[in-house]
Amino acid sequence: QVQLVESGGGLVKPGGSLRLSCATSGITFSDYYMTWIRQAPGKGLEWISYIDSSSNYINYAGSVKGRFTISRDNAKNSVFLQMNSLRVDDTAMYYCATDRKGIGEDGHFFDIWGRGTMVFVSS
Amino acid sequence: IQMTQSPSTVSASVGDRVTITCRASQSISIWLAWYQQKPGKAPKLLIYKASSLESGVPSRFSGSGSGTEFTLTITSLQPDDFGTYYCQQYHSYSVTFGQGTKVEIK
Repeated sequence: QVQLVESGGGLVKPGGSLRLSCATSGITFSDYYMTWIRQAPGKGLEWISYIDSSSNYINYAGSVKGRFTISRDNAKNSVFLQMNSLRVDDTAMYYCATDRKGIGEDGHFFDIWGRGTMVFVSS
Repeated sequence: IQMTQSPSTVSASVGDRVTITCRASQSISIWLAWYQQKPGKAPKLLIYKASSLESGVPSRFSGSGSGTEFTLTITSLQPDDFGTYYCQQYHSYSVTFGQGTKVEIK
């Protein structure tokens, strides 16, 4: 059974840090690009970052570049998002998802999603 | 690349044909995906490469378009089709989503 499970969200003060994790099962994790996407309460979807299967190619949205770091551990079938210098407008549900780029498709779109983990940034 | 969807909300009856439009601020060829999101749930991939139906998605969903203008069509709206629909371009390395179209069942 394919499953992506995010964890690590919570309440943090502005300027603080959090590390999100996404544990996967039921997929050949090392074949996949992985991505993080967020959704502020009542708002639309915002792509954050993706990482290729061997951690050689990484890209970030401008809104998080320099503050967030994506990484992965293929031995643990997991992807991570280190979030530093958090701001109030980082408050959102954070989803991890598999990215079809690495398995034969021509671009980054997302077919398997986790249920998300909520991050609240507030003083 | 900015993606603009219209309308913002559509209210339709079961059996109706529903069309949602997505416009890109520059040409994205056919590199467009559509997702459905229900309240409190993660998005679900419906269409990729503008018109390719994802496995397991009902055939009443279809996508068309290229360049800067795209449509998602639901040929016969079903009660389970409520939710918010998002387009997403993947022409550029930094992908972007449209703002969403909410589909309500009358």
